[in-house]
Amino acid sequence: QLQLQESGPGLVKPSETLSLTCTVSGGSISSRTNYWGWIRQSPGKGLEWIGSIYFRGNDYYNPSLKSRVTLSVDTSENQVSLKLRSVTAGDTAVYYCARHAGMGAIHFDYWGQGIQVTVSS
Amino acid sequence: EIVLTQSPGTLSLSPGERATLSCRASQSVTNSHLAWYQQKPGQAPRLLIYLASTRASGIPDRFSGSGSGTDFTLTISRLEPEDFVLYYCYQYGSLPWTFGQGTTVEIK
Repeated sequence: QLQLQESGPGLVKPSETLSLTCTVSGGSISSRTNYWGWIRQSPGKGLEWIGSIYFRGNDYYNPSLKSRVTLSVDTSENQVSLKLRSVTAGDTAVYYCARHAGMGAIHFDYWGQGIQVTVSS
Repeated sequence: EIVLTQSPGTLSLSPGERATLSCRASQSVTNSHLAWYQQKPGQAPRLLIYLASTRASGIPDRFSGSGSGTDFTLTISRLEPEDFVLYYCYQYGSLPWTFGQGTTVEIK
């Protein structure tokens, strides 16, 4: 059974960089048939897609966040990572990693449990 | 960006009743690339329906999806106690992929 687990600091200071990692078990991040994505959820903005990446580095980003976001893949660790720069209180949210059910424009089928990240000094 | 508007915001029904949830898109959703998710408190969203009407693996047949273009519907034929939670629609036909704001199904 595929499992995804987010990890990282739960508290980040304003203007700093939020760094999260998603570790995949029960499957390979190098799958030729899946993209991997990040979504966040906050009371004010609801669910928001952040970006998605393929193990070879092909990626898509939400234009609203593109200037501050970088996704990367570590195939040796079976992980996908998210970096969000210059954070503000508006970036406070639960962050989820998820697997696309296939290539390209495909829904998410498996999700991690999510990690709460608060931006505060 | 495609904006998805879900209605109603809250649906008050009794167990055994039929629930009809609406998701309206600001532009046509390409190839009916629309999914429905269920979210229970403290949990990640769970996939119910994709391609507007295809039930995901393991989802009970009381859940069904329909629609095309800009109007989509999730129907729960007979509400079970565990169905009284939050539901989201999600379009993946056009970048950026977007979610609706959600419909809460609550016990009347």
